[in-house]
Amino acid sequence: GAGVSQSPRYKVAKRGQDVALRCDPISGHVSLFWYQQALGQGPEFLTYFQNEAQLDKSGLPSDRFFAERPEGSVSTLKIQRTQQEDSAVYLCASKGNEQFFGPGTRLTVL
Amino acid sequence: AQSVTQLGSHVSVSEGALVLLRCNYSSSVPPYLFWYVQYPNQGLQLLLKYTTGATLVKGINGFEAEFKKSETSFHLTKPSAHMSDAAEYFCAVRTPPSQTDKLIFGTGTRLQVFP
Repeated sequence: GAGVSQSPRYKVAKRGQDVALRCDPISGHVSLFWYQQALGQGPEFLTYFQNEAQLDKSGLPSDRFFAERPEGSVSTLKIQRTQQEDSAVYLCASKGNEQFFGPGTRLTVL
Repeated sequence: AQSVTQLGSHVSVSEGALVLLRCNYSSSVPPYLFWYVQYPNQGLQLLLKYTTGATLVKGINGFEAEFKKSETSFHLTKPSAHMSDAAEYFCAVRTPPSQTDKLIFGTGTRLQVFP
């Protein structure tokens, strides 16, 4: 596709549910990033992939957060046992010369 | 550690007026600096970036920014605001090419443009 796409665009989960957020990067982009953007804040780094290798997961806030990119293209961010503090917009970016961002998934945990 | 500070969470200007959005950074190494714009319910769009070379950088939509090492600043300007400029603006810093080219963002400045 022409840009980075993410699905779903909006997700409402009850506290304790597991969620999976998908990112389709720009074709051919080796690098992929996930960021978390809380309301009224700037995006904060979660994790980074180069092809299928997760080279940096230092930003993942807890072991409930897990990301994968098994074939070096599509990536999934999974959050287990969601909590209210997980409510945020989750942004995916893929990198050619610079990072190009998707529209994000807005997660609301009730 | 690197960080970015954006002074002023909200800026309001009249259409046609000068836009000035402030950004100061902290970095122990020469920084790469970026400005992104975010429209409602959309992802971030790159406005401009500074890596090396000329310190005055021109971007899209008539925006420009000047890297001032002595002031550790990278303020964003536009001579004449347009209604369509109303959005959230984020300044970001990144280390020179490294294993993780992650971006560190400021908290953002919401620009309002009045007719």
